[in-house]
Amino acid sequence: AQSVAQPEDQVNVAEGNPLTVKCTYSVSGNPYLFWYVQYPNRGLQFLLKYITGDNLVKGSYGFEAEFNKSQTSFHLKKPSALVSDSALYFCAVRDGGGYQKVTFGTGTKLQVIP
Amino acid sequence: DTEVTQTPKHLVMGMTNKKSLKCEQHMGHRAMYWYKQKAKKPPELMFVYSYEKLSINESVPSRFSPECPNSSLLNLHLHALQPEDSALYLCASSQVGEANEQFFGPGTRLTVL
Repeated sequence: AQSVAQPEDQVNVAEGNPLTVKCTYSVSGNPYLFWYVQYPNRGLQFLLKYITGDNLVKGSYGFEAEFNKSQTSFHLKKPSALVSDSALYFCAVRDGGGYQKVTFGTGTKLQVIP
Repeated sequence: DTEVTQTPKHLVMGMTNKKSLKCEQHMGHRAMYWYKQKAKKPPELMFVYSYEKLSINESVPSRFSPECPNSSLLNLHLHALQPEDSALYLCASSQVGEANEQFFGPGTRLTVL
C-alpha cells in the first residue's frame, strides 16, 4: 500500500520569505514522488518529481524539493515566495512496483501575504 | 502541444439525464485517467486506461461509464446521477510508467440537480 501525508492544511508566509510545504510518504517499494499545484477552478499543474539520483530536485517557477529517504519526506521549498504562488499544493506518490495508481495527499493551501 | 482539453467546462443535469464528458490530448500519451474532485479535497481516482484498455476501476458506480475510443480521446458517460456526484471531474494523461508525471485538463464542473 502507498500513502502520503501533508500535515498542514494551510501555510502562511510573507512575500519574499522562504516557504516550505511538508510531505511525508509511505511505500513498499521505491518511491516516485511528485508535487502539483492547483489554482482555483483549474486542473492540477505538475511542478517537479523525484525518481532517483540527487536528493534536491529543481522544478518549475523556482520551486525545489528535497527527498529524504531516512525521514520518508519530500518537502517543497522556494527561497523567496511570491503572492502569485498562493494556491493549493498536492504531494503525490507512486510505488515503483508497477502500480499505476497515484495517491495524492490532502493538499496544503499556501497563502503568501503581501 | 502539451494541453489536455475537456468539454464542456460546466454541466448541469437532472438525475434522469444522460450526458457525456469529453477529454482529448495530442501528446502521444497512452495512459489516461478520470478523477473526481470535491472542493478543497484531493482528486479521487476513478478510472485508468492504458493503451486504450481499462486497467483500473476504483469501484466506481455503474452510473459512470468510461470509454476510450482511441489513443487521444477519453469519454465519461453519465446516467442517473445523484446530487452527491456534483464535483469537478478532471481528466489527465501521461506516458505509461510509474515515473511519469500526469498532465491535467481544466476539468468539467458538474452539478446534478
